[in-house]
Amino acid sequence: QKEVEQNSGPLSVPEGAIASLNCTYSDRGSQSFFWYRQYSGKSPELIMFIYSNGDKEDGRFTAQLNKASQYVSLLIRDSQPSDSATYLCAVNIAIGDDKIIFGKGTRLHILP
Amino acid sequence: DTEVTQTPKHLVMGMTNKKSLKCEQHMGHRAMYWYKQKAKKPPELMFVYSYEKLSINESVPSRFSPECPNSSLLNLHLHALQPEDSALYLCASSQDGGDTEAFFGQGTRLTVV
Repeated sequence: QKEVEQNSGPLSVPEGAIASLNCTYSDRGSQSFFWYRQYSGKSPELIMFIYSNGDKEDGRFTAQLNKASQYVSLLIRDSQPSDSATYLCAVNIAIGDDKIIFGKGTRLHILP
Repeated sequence: DTEVTQTPKHLVMGMTNKKSLKCEQHMGHRAMYWYKQKAKKPPELMFVYSYEKLSINESVPSRFSPECPNSSLLNLHLHALQPEDSALYLCASSQDGGDTEAFFGQGTRLTVV
């Protein structure tokens, strides 16, 4: 059973602080990892993707991947109230496989 | 441009109706997806098309029938649905399937009465 695990939260973080979101996956063959943000009633919006071990930074967002530990994380620096949303971790099953599965998502609440 | 367009945005249909959801992308992406999302749940994969051919069917009931008329269009035909099929239906596309990032449309909010 291919699985993507996330803590459902809610994760409450003060405004201006760093929010840290975590995700583990079960299939060692997974090669592509995605973070989506979803506001209530809206569709998922891609915010980060990462394919190689290490860190990838884009503005206030940093994705971190550790394939040996089967762990991917998302850091949000200088958290803003507009960052309050559900963050979905998504993983492809294997290289060349079109199947992308999602974790259950972590609800993030930024406290003003 | 990373736009995926879905129509309609909202749909209410009876259990005996036939309706279709439409999805369009003009990014030249080879893979197109249908996902179903219930409230407070993650998107659940239904179908994947690659180069206009059905490549993945996640054991979806036959009352849902996908169609890919060309490389830019994806349809989902609905027939004899049940109230529990009410959900947000999401279309997505990706340049190279699961190896690259997928972009979602705004979704169709479906209510079956």
